[in-house]
Amino acid sequence: EDKVVQSPLSLVVHEGDTVTLNCSYEVTNFRSLLWYKQEKKAPTFLFMLTSSGIEKKSGRLSSILDKKELSSILNITATQTGDSAIYLCAVDYGNKLVFGAGTILRVKS
Amino acid sequence: DAMVIQNPRYQVTQFGKPVTLSCSQTLNHNVMYWYQQKSSQAPKLLFHYYDKDFNNEADTPDNFQSRRPNTSFCFLDIRSPGLGDAAMYLCATSTPGGNTEAFFGQGTRLTVV
Repeated sequence: EDKVVQSPLSLVVHEGDTVTLNCSYEVTNFRSLLWYKQEKKAPTFLFMLTSSGIEKKSGRLSSILDKKELSSILNITATQTGDSAIYLCAVDYGNKLVFGAGTILRVKS
Repeated sequence: DAMVIQNPRYQVTQFGKPVTLSCSQTLNHNVMYWYQQKSSQAPKLLFHYYDKDFNNEADTPDNFQSRRPNTSFCFLDIRSPGLGDAAMYLCATSTPGGNTEAFFGQGTRLTVV
């Protein structure tokens, strides 16, 4: 069965903290891993990762894939209240996109 | 320009009254997905089409059906909505194995009264 597991399921931090979100997947038919941010609407795309060890970066957010460990992390540095959202990891297993349960991040001011 | 369009954005239906949600895309993507998302939960895949091939998830209730008459359109039919079917329904498209992410529509929020 194609699974995507995210941890932690929820997280509360203070502004300025750095957070690391985790995503693990199964190897069969893996094509790519995607990170999305979801506020009160449809998910918005953050990163797509296909190659191991290459960091993708956008402002305070960065992500990297480890194909040996079948996992990815999403880092957010200097968190702001606007980072509060559900962060979703999804894996393209070749014929379908499967989401993890998400990490609910709340950043307190 | 919107590339995945869902209609309506908000839908209120009566308990047991059939309802259809629609999704259209201008991306010519092979795959179209329907997800159900309840409050504070991740999207749950209901089914997807790979071209004309329909793929139902094992735990999708029989109450949910889908149609894809052509590449651009896909419909979600809920035959007899129950109160537990109230949720956001998200449509997404992708090209598997391609170098692009999945694109989402804005969702349809379904209320069952």
